[in-house]
Amino acid sequence: GESVGLHLPTLSVQEGDNSIINCAYSNSASDYFIWYKQESGKGPQFIIDIRSNMDKRQGQRVTVLLNKTVKHLSLQIAATQPGDSAVYFCAENFFGQGGSEKLVFGKGTKLTVNP
Amino acid sequence: ETGVTQSPTHLIKTRGQQVTLRCSSQSGHNTVSWYQQALGQGPQFIFQYYREEENGRGNFPPRFSGLQFPNYSSELNVNALELDDSALYLCASSLVPYATNEKLFFGSGTQLSVL
Repeated sequence: GESVGLHLPTLSVQEGDNSIINCAYSNSASDYFIWYKQESGKGPQFIIDIRSNMDKRQGQRVTVLLNKTVKHLSLQIAATQPGDSAVYFCAENFFGQGGSEKLVFGKGTKLTVNP
Repeated sequence: ETGVTQSPTHLIKTRGQQVTLRCSSQSGHNTVSWYQQALGQGPQFIFQYYREEENGRGNFPPRFSGLQFPNYSSELNVNALELDDSALYLCASSLVPYATNEKLFFGSGTQLSVL
């Protein structure tokens, strides 16, 4: 079935530390994964994506790792800042019946950065 | 700001009523997707409109319906409201259908409360 989940609902870190947010997915046929950040009162904002033919992709202060063997995705944030406090969602590009595509989001992890 | 605007920002309805939510897509975007985000959950895909036609639908009953207008703005209509319809309703626009990366822009949502 459709299921993209996260191991931890909340994560609290100190400013300057590195953060790691994890995600498990269930559809082994999915070939594209995205991380979104959602701040309070706002819609999700794209952070970084990765295709299944890669196992690592880096952006500015963020890195996404993909382990297809265990169907696990992680987001690493370097030198976490107070502005990084938000809920983070992983999403899977899911291919449904009739060839339709849609995003399937996990439940989210709330990241709190303490000054 | 993403350029995607939704109205109203908040709405309170009673069970059995009907509601219409509105979305203005980013300039030039011909595709609008609607998502339902229950409290503490990730967004769930409701449906997508491309050039005024429905272009994919998630697991939502027929009482969830939509429209897209020639200017690509969109409406989400929900009939016979149920308590479980209480959620944040997000609209996202893109230049092409099923965009999932940085080219998909979310609005800030309409918070619907059904009493």
